[in-house]
Amino acid sequence: KAGVTQTPRYLIKTRGQQVTLSCSPISGHRSVSWYQQTPGQGLQFLFEYFSETQRNKGNFPGRFSGRQFSNSRSEMNVSTLELGDSALYLCASRELAGGTYEQYFGPGTRLTVT
Amino acid sequence: GENVEQHPSTLSVQEGDSAVIKCTYSDSASNYFPWYKQELGKRPQLIIDIRSNVGEKKDQRIAVTLNKTAKHFSLHITETQPEDSAVYFCAASKFDDMRFGAGTRLTVKP
Repeated sequence: KAGVTQTPRYLIKTRGQQVTLSCSPISGHRSVSWYQQTPGQGLQFLFEYFSETQRNKGNFPGRFSGRQFSNSRSEMNVSTLELGDSALYLCASRELAGGTYEQYFGPGTRLTVT
Repeated sequence: GENVEQHPSTLSVQEGDSAVIKCTYSDSASNYFPWYKQELGKRPQLIIDIRSNVGEKKDQRIAVTLNKTAKHFSLHITETQPEDSAVYFCAASKFDDMRFGAGTRLTVKP
């Protein structure tokens, strides 16, 4: 099976703009989670979608939002970008069937806000 | 939600020595505990995992132990090699949630 893919891989935006990131999970995986990774901050959980429903949300402001489509592909949107939003955004997918919980990461989208 | 704490944040060992990374979790409902390795510029990769009905699991030079009563689990790497140098993340998960520790930067000196 193809792995988790994310587009774009790199993005440069200006403060105040908005951005949309895309994630295509492994075929058959219904859960997609998003994480923000900054140096020294580990993997900060943003939100998780399962069957088009947001099931969990981390401690991020409302500027961060997401959605999941019927084919399990997911998008993440950040509005009114701030300099502190510069980070690597990783998505990960899980099958969550038959007791399998393994989560697989995409290569990430590196967002730079200037 | 689940809170995962990971220690130490950095760890430096000599090649051939052992390395141990420890994590604690807060939600007793968590039942799946994976460990990920992230090399520089790459995505996190699953290296080993353990479920709550198992106390220990080994895979060649790496092993993970779980103490459900104390809510802590550990990663053990024996006979470390320079290619083990990376950031390691622990996580605790249940069906609808997976949270990660802050990571441990392991450096193996030749």
